[in-house]
Amino acid sequence: QVQLVESGGGVVQPGRSLRLSCAGSGFTFSSYPMNWVRQAPGKGLEWVAVISSDGISKYYADSVKGRFTISRDNSKNTLFLQMNSLRADDTAVYYCARAYNYWGQGTLVTVSS
Amino acid sequence: DIQMTQSPSSLSASVGDRVTITCQASQDISNSLNWYQQKPGKAPNLLIYDASNLETGVPSRFSGSGSGTDFIFTISRLQPEDIATYYCQHYDNLPYTFGQGTKLEIK
Repeated sequence: QVQLVESGGGVVQPGRSLRLSCAGSGFTFSSYPMNWVRQAPGKGLEWVAVISSDGISKYYADSVKGRFTISRDNSKNTLFLQMNSLRADDTAVYYCARAYNYWGQGTLVTVSS
Repeated sequence: DIQMTQSPSSLSASVGDRVTITCQASQDISNSLNWYQQKPGKAPNLLIYDASNLETGVPSRFSGSGSGTDFIFTISRLQPEDIATYYCQHYDNLPYTFGQGTKLEIK
């Protein structure tokens, strides 16, 4: 069965960096574009970034452009989100999603001094 | 960017009621629309794709309709387990924005 498992969340100070990972299994990881979506506490869903199946094309929400980088390692069935210059308003649960019909359980990122 | 306006933001209904949620896109998105259910502490669950297609395994009391800019999500007979927040999302072009969500409660 399809599984997506995020990791790497935690508490980080403003201005610092964090790298999230999403391990995929149960499907041919290299065949699918992958997404990151986040949800601030008590708020709605916000699409963050998408990467093509081959890792060449990448698109970002304006709110993270220039600070976040999406990447993937198809040999390890893993998706990444490198988050730099973190701000308080980046505090959220971060989900990885495959084609929006499969989602991970989410990993919480808290940006606080 | 395409804006998705979802209404109402909250809704209280009784078991067995017919429930309707609307989503309006700021421009024509054809039928490029998903509907999700999200329960507290859980990831969103895709219910409807391409505006009106039921995802595999989703109960038939859930349905979607519409195209262009105006979309409707319906629960034909509300069940207690349907208590959740519901979101629309377009995927016509990037960024794939979500509606603000509709929190559904049992009366």
